[in-house]
Amino acid sequence: DVKVTQSSRYLVKRTGEKVFLECVQDMDHENMFWYRQDPGLGLRLIYFSYDVKMKEKGDIPEGYSVSREKKERFSLILESASTNQTSMYLCASSIQDGMYGYTFGSGTRLTVV
Amino acid sequence: AQTVTQSQPEMSVQEAETVTLSCTYDTSESNYYLFWYKQPPSRQMILVIRQEAYKQQNATENRFSVNFQKAAKSFSLKISDSQLGDTAMYFCAFMNYNQGGKLIFGQGTELSVKP
Repeated sequence: DVKVTQSSRYLVKRTGEKVFLECVQDMDHENMFWYRQDPGLGLRLIYFSYDVKMKEKGDIPEGYSVSREKKERFSLILESASTNQTSMYLCASSIQDGMYGYTFGSGTRLTVV
Repeated sequence: AQTVTQSQPEMSVQEAETVTLSCTYDTSESNYYLFWYKQPPSRQMILVIRQEAYKQQNATENRFSVNFQKAAKSFSLKISDSQLGDTAMYFCAFMNYNQGGKLIFGQGTELSVKP
């Protein structure tokens, strides 16, 4: 069964901490994405990557960075966590043109206190 | 910029009945894909159904079907014979052919199926 795996289901961090959210896919997909999900706002794109070492900003990149050193792994980094980054974070992957949609991970619910 | 709007934040339906979730989108493009995703409580987001804009025929997947009205930029999801397991958040999403696979999501509709 193909999978996108997010390393943590729940995470609690303190304001100012550097936070790493990890995502691994086993489908040899070219594209990987990080979204955050907030009630009433749907899913908003933070960053995405079309290939190893490539990254592009999404709609809400401020306060975040990403790393893709290997094709299967895409990490989201919160440089200095703030309370307004408390949210559900979803990782997804797709083939190059995305025509069949995404495969999603189970999500990481991050709380910043 | 493309936008996707789901105007029904919450809906409920009795088991075995039919329910329709609405979605409208805004784009100047003519070639794109549309999707409905389901997110059950505390579970993973999964694809329910997809539609290619150049196809006039509405997509169907078992009890799920869409009403795709390209001119009206409308893409509603019909769930027939609703089951308790259909209780979930449903997201409508849009993807341009030439935007490298980026999905734009609506705000979501929370559907409750009542016994």
